[in-house]
Amino acid sequence: AIQMTQSPSSLSASVGDRVTITCRASQGIRNDLGWYQQKPGKAPKLLIYAASSLQSGVPSRFSGSGSGTDFTLTISSLQPEDFATYYCLQDYNYPHTFGQGTKLEIK
Amino acid sequence: EVQLVESGGGLVQPGGSLRLSCAASGFTFSSYWMHWVRQAPGKGLVWVSRINSDGSSTSYADSVKGRFTISRDNAKNTLYLQMNSLRAEDTAVYYCARVGHLGGLDLWGRGTLVTVSS
Repeated sequence: AIQMTQSPSSLSASVGDRVTITCRASQGIRNDLGWYQQKPGKAPKLLIYAASSLQSGVPSRFSGSGSGTDFTLTISSLQPEDFATYYCLQDYNYPHTFGQGTKLEIK
Repeated sequence: EVQLVESGGGLVQPGGSLRLSCAASGFTFSSYWMHWVRQAPGKGLVWVSRINSDGSSTSYADSVKGRFTISRDNAKNTLYLQMNSLRAEDTAVYYCARVGHLGGLDLWGRGTLVTVSS
């Protein structure tokens, strides 16, 4: 199975900061990667699909980039509602695999 | 309203069985591939299984292969996960999710909690 290594595992930041989260795949996965946001007690929410395509309704401060093995999720200017846990998911092959998550906390 | 609603979770003894359901509404269920994802208490997301739109093709995580079976009834707009030989490590919230036509899991249910304990 493809391993997805996500970093950092946690991150403290302030409102207005620019934040970057990375995921590295153990083998090439083209651009078959999505980013998800999860708030406590809630279901995950799709932010980015195909590595860089913004899901409908998601604010433009979220962006994704990368291809092959290295991917990034960037939040250009953190808003209070962005404090959550973020996961990457490779959907290149089965079994699909998630990164271990990045908990974004308020500094 | 476009939504997915899971049901069927609960407390079960180790070695027992449970069938989860995921009722879809507000969209053409038969046109979409579907997945199950789980999350143990306080832990991260783990992919479990997927099924294609007509139910003819399935895939499973190694940890559940041979014990869990995904299926669907397009006439009833419902996805299922039959879970047999349950173990303590299967304790989790189970989410069903839809694969968007453009990519990614674009619609999720609220989840149903399965607890495996004696």
